[in-house]
Amino acid sequence: QQKVQQSPESLTVSEGAMASLNCTFSDRSSDNFRWYRQHSGKGLEVLVSIFSDGEKEEGSFTAHLNRASLHVFLHIREPQPSDSALYLCAVSIPTGGNNKLTFGQGTVLSVIP
Amino acid sequence: EAAVTQSPRNKVAVTGGKVTLSCNQTNNHNNMYWYRQDTGHGLRLIHYSYGAGSTEKGDIPDGYKASRPSQENFSLILELATPSQTSVYFCASGDRDFYAEQFFGPGTRLTVL
Repeated sequence: QQKVQQSPESLTVSEGAMASLNCTFSDRSSDNFRWYRQHSGKGLEVLVSIFSDGEKEEGSFTAHLNRASLHVFLHIREPQPSDSALYLCAVSIPTGGNNKLTFGQGTVLSVIP
Repeated sequence: EAAVTQSPRNKVAVTGGKVTLSCNQTNNHNNMYWYRQDTGHGLRLIHYSYGAGSTEKGDIPDGYKASRPSQENFSLILELATPSQTSVYFCASGDRDFYAEQFFGPGTRLTVL
């Protein structure tokens, strides 16, 4: 069964400094990777989706996928205090016409002014 | 605007009681999903559906039933609630495509005493 692990569990960065989050998955046939942000007490907001090795940029968020090493990273450029939230990685394996996501446990990001 | 709504937003139930969580989507999506979120576990898939009349077991279905009476509505049913089912529950909808985005509702906080 797919296992998804995120590191670090928590991260504190200064406003404007790059933040880098790591997600490790266990199944190399995984083909669908997403990063979500969740502010406290709120729902999930998709940040970036990536389906092939390399980089995908969406605004200040860049996902970097390396399936050979079983890693997908999220880099946040010039984070603001409003980016303080729980960040979740989700991974899916092709299984017909559905999209069953397996989530990591999350990284809590704190951005200090 | 397309949306996923959940009701109730907060629920307190007693052990052994029956609980029904409801989800409605105006996205006209075929697929719908129920997840629970617990600290340290990220989100875990309970049940999902491909369309009206269909329900499938996810990764942690024990103690839960699901019902999809229409394209728009998907319910999660706890016939005999237990304290271990205290959690935050999220509903999501998505197109029937492996790479389709999932859109999440705001969540329901359930406490079982």
